[in-house]
Amino acid sequence: DADVTQTPRNRITKTGKRIMLECSQTKGHDRMYWYRQDPGLGLRLIYYSFDVKDINKGEISDGYSVSRQAQAKFSLSLESAIPNQTALYFCATSARTGPQHFGDGTRLSIL
Amino acid sequence: AQKITQTQPGMFVQEKEAVTLDCTYDTSDQSYGLFWYKQPSSGEMIFLIYQGSYDEQNATEGRYSLNFQKARKSANLVISASQLGDSAMYFCAMWLNNNDMRFGAGTRLTVKP
Repeated sequence: DADVTQTPRNRITKTGKRIMLECSQTKGHDRMYWYRQDPGLGLRLIYYSFDVKDINKGEISDGYSVSRQAQAKFSLSLESAIPNQTALYFCATSARTGPQHFGDGTRLSIL
Repeated sequence: AQKITQTQPGMFVQEKEAVTLDCTYDTSDQSYGLFWYKQPSSGEMIFLIYQGSYDEQNATEGRYSLNFQKARKSANLVISASQLGDSAMYFCAMWLNNNDMRFGAGTRLTVKP
């Protein structure tokens, strides 16, 4: 089983819909992150959480919200999806020091 | 501005040869971390190597080594003895003191048989 699991893996939806992407991890890490990847831009940090009560905005948080339901679960929501939020979304986890470990990504298309 | 720059959109290397992927960074922080990740065509992000800003020795992990030149603010990835399976996108990333993580735009490496 994957250490960092993202669901769904793919999602196509319409403009204006509310979308939730979920992430769960079995690595026991306190820190969790959400990124989006656009072609030619690399990954950009949306939100990060260092524990259940700690949520922080990243570089591009507008239009997104997150919820840290438990140490192992971190969900990303798009309250009213728009086409320019079409992207590949990654969840990642890390210990206090060391590398981030990524899930396999969620490919989101907003029509 | 906190920024990571990868100036090579694409690189080609012959199988079994070494290749260097460039990465420069810009930060005023004294404490930071530098990472390299590999993204194959299947899409997952695979951690390769890490260098801390206070580490005096260059990091190495198997066929991967990081050529860290702090004064020049560069953290180039060297892959020795390239294999066909090394063909992928490679991303340089920097972790900053304000808990921000910045990625470069990536370099697509193609290994030719």
